[in-house]
Amino acid sequence: GAVVSQHPSRVICKSGTSVKIECRSLDFQATTMFWYRQFPKKSLMLMATSNEGSKATYEQGVEKDKFLINHASLTLSTLTVTSAHPEDSSFYICSASPSGRASDNEQFFGPGTRLTVL
Amino acid sequence: ILNVEQSPQSLHVQEGDSTNFTCSFPSSNFYALHWYRWETAKSPEALFVMTLNGDEKKKGRISATLNTKEGYSYLYIKGSQPEDSATYLCAFLGGFQKLVFGTGTRLLVSP
Repeated sequence: GAVVSQHPSRVICKSGTSVKIECRSLDFQATTMFWYRQFPKKSLMLMATSNEGSKATYEQGVEKDKFLINHASLTLSTLTVTSAHPEDSSFYICSASPSGRASDNEQFFGPGTRLTVL
Repeated sequence: ILNVEQSPQSLHVQEGDSTNFTCSFPSSNFYALHWYRWETAKSPEALFVMTLNGDEKKKGRISATLNTKEGYSYLYIKGSQPEDSATYLCAFLGGFQKLVFGTGTRLLVSP
């Protein structure tokens, strides 16, 4: 149980295009999903917290117009990198917290998406 | 800025060796400490969520201890096997209810 899928696993795009990444909780409902970014040899850095039916909460320094997050249902959140540039190349990974597990913030992760912007 | 540190950065052991890693975190505003195991090209897998000082949790050959007063947790692997090769991440949950991750300990177990 507690499986999270993420699609695509790898994407290469041209500078200026937009890329959408999907995160799905397959066997549980997730009121809250999280989007992280990882730079080489660095830790996972939280970008934003996505709440079903409401606006995402972005971390300091993360541009909300650049990284659009939509959490339209209890099993799906999407991250769209708009007008991507080479500096957006990174590893993006999502996680989902089962509804009712807010107290210890248990999260289940997707496998991540490697974005390369040429 | 919250600082979560893990040591060592990487570790190479022989099959059958027992090993342990450390996660250091702030000792104030503690809510929980998470441990994850992350194999290449797979999703990080939750190992433990620890909340109480002095807690010890076990899952097969892997166990973890927690000291919230001094701000550290140890992860132990008894009799390491090649399939234990992975990056082990810890994450601190503090007052802001957001996980802050360490950079991980990369374990390689040779047959």
